Amino acid sequence: NAGVTQTPKFQVLKTGQSMTLQCAQDMNHNSMYWYRQDPGMGLRLIYYSASEGTTDKGEVPNGYNVSRLNKREFSLRLESAAPSQTSVYFCASSLRPGLTYNEQFFGPGTRLTVL
Amino acid sequence: GENVEQHPSTLSVQEGDSAVIKCTYSDSASNYFPWYKQELGKRPQLIIDIRSNVGEKKDQRIAVTLNKTAKHFSLHITETQPEDSAVYFCAARQGGSTLGRLYFGRGTQLTVWP
Repeated sequence: NAGVTQTPKFQVLKTGQSMTLQCAQDMNHNSMYWYRQDPGMGLRLIYYSASEGTTDKGEVPNGYNVSRLNKREFSLRLESAAPSQTSVYFCASSLRPGLTYNEQFFGPGTRLTVL
Repeated sequence: GENVEQHPSTLSVQEGDSAVIKCTYSDSASNYFPWYKQELGKRPQLIIDIRSNVGEKKDQRIAVTLNKTAKHFSLHITETQPEDSAVYFCAARQGGSTLGRLYFGRGTQLTVWP
């Protein structure tokens, strides 16, 4: 099993450009998440999908959109990138909502720089 | 929502010493508290977790304690080794929520000097 995979690993954008970060998991998990990680700020939730067909905003959703394409895939889109979106982005998945032990498994991350 | 605070933000210890990282949470109904370790350039990985009906849990050199009354939980690492150097994150799962969402602290950079 590959676990959680993300593409691309690195990306440089110019202000105003758009791009989509891809995430896929092969663990048959129901829930998927997108986080951003900035120095000293920990992991902040952007959007999550508790189950296929549902998506919800997290702490910092402005400037982002998501699509839960199917049970395996959850993409994050930046419509018009801004320098404030320079960050490391992590995708994660967990088995299903409602479980107390709801370990989240993280992907390897995407390092995004917006010039 | 839940609010998780983590201290200290940086911690340096000599190899063989113990390290303690503390977190507080705001929602008394939170029921699950995992700890993640993130090595430089890598993804966060779960190292230990505890449920709200348990006061302490150990796994070799690491342990987590939970004080529900005071709403705080701590990570204890004994006999630290250089490979323990990493950023550690605490998190809390808000009670009553069926969505599985975790709220993370801001992280502690642990450095273990040989």
